[in-house]
Order: sequence, then structure tokens, then C-alpha cells
Amino acid sequence: SAVISQKPSRDICQRGTSLTIQCQVDSQVTMMFWYRQQPGQSLTLIATANQGSEATYESGFVIDKFPISRPNLTFSTLTVSNMSPEDSSIYLCSVEDIWDGYTFGSGTRLTVV
Amino acid sequence: EDKVVQSPLSLVVHEGDTVTLNCSYEVTNFRSLLWYKQEKKAPTFLFMLTSSGIEKKSGRLSSILDKKELFSILNITATQTGDSAIYLCAVLNGGGSNYKLTFGKGTLLTVNP
Repeated sequence: SAVISQKPSRDICQRGTSLTIQCQVDSQVTMMFWYRQQPGQSLTLIATANQGSEATYESGFVIDKFPISRPNLTFSTLTVSNMSPEDSSIYLCSVEDIWDGYTFGSGTRLTVV
Repeated sequence: EDKVVQSPLSLVVHEGDTVTLNCSYEVTNFRSLLWYKQEKKAPTFLFMLTSSGIEKKSGRLSSILDKKELFSILNITATQTGDSAIYLCAVLNGGGSNYKLTFGKGTLLTVNP
């Protein structure tokens, strides 16, 4: 199954700043997915990132707040912009895996103070 | 709106007990149902179910899907403390290249020695 390296593992950030989260996959994948898991909640899809095209955002998420880059078939970044305490969450990237459903990165635990 | 509902939301058992976790769904263009175990940040894949009535089994864990009644169950027999985790149910739905995972809120399982 695919292996995803996600960085950083955790961060504590000041409100108003931005944080960029990176995911590197050990194989080429067409689509990468970004999720948010707020405290005590389940995973919510933020956007789907295809290489060479703009990401597709789910209802309630906008590009200005969560810009995504997908420069090639093994890498993607998600930026959380102009952060507020409400952005404190676990952020996860994911790829489709032909054998194991969907594989997730190790997650980024973000705390905004 | 696509919905995935898990029950119970939390469960406390003793080692050796058998547990059954439930997942019901209402989605358009169902493709498959997936179960994950989440211990820290990253969900780890357990099962993917596409066909009704076919049990999938891995050690002490098993799962089955009923596409007529729109639900799935995850069974864990002879529970161990290491089974303590959040168990997430997710449904993959959509058409063509436009598909996504919708997650339930999860069941928090605590196994006491």
C-alpha cells in the first residue's frame, strides 16, 4: 500500500499567521484528498487535489482560506491561512489505494493560540 | 445530503467481551463502505465492503454489508486493551471521477483489563 509522509506532525501557531502542511507519497497518484478533524468530530473533506488543475473544494471551504498546491503526482501542500483558534484541528492528507481503500498520512495536529 | 451514522458513539467493555459496532448510511451513488481504526491521528484501514452479504474477516475483526437495509456492522471478538480506539465508518460515493468519502462521527471503544 502507499506510504505517505506528512509534515509537520504538530504545530502551535499564533492567530493571524499561516501554516503549510506537506504530504509526500511514495508512488504516483492521480488524486490527493485533504481532511480536517475538529476536536471530538469526524473527518470532513476540505478539497480534492488533482495534478495540473485547481483543487475542488467542498461546501464551506474556500481557496483563499485553504490554498492547495499539487505540483506533481507525488506531492501536495495545504496552507491554513490567517488562522484563528477555530482552525485548531487535525489535518490529514489521503490517497486512493487500490489494495487498502484510502490511505492516510500521519496527520498534523494544529493548535492556534 | 449524504449521511453516515454510527452507533453507539461510545462503548466501554472488559477484555474478552465481543462488541458490535453499527453504521447506517444514506448516500447517492454508493460505491463502497470502509472501516477504519483511529488510535492517535491517522486512521488505519480495516475493511472495504462493496457487495452485500459477504463477510470480510481479519483475525478477531469481521464486517458485513447490507446494501438493501443500508448498513454495516463491525464485530470484534475476544477484545483486548489494544482494541481501544475510535472506529470510523466511511462511505465512498459519487460518479465518474467525482467521488468522495463521507465519514461517520465514529464509535469510541474502550476496553478495560
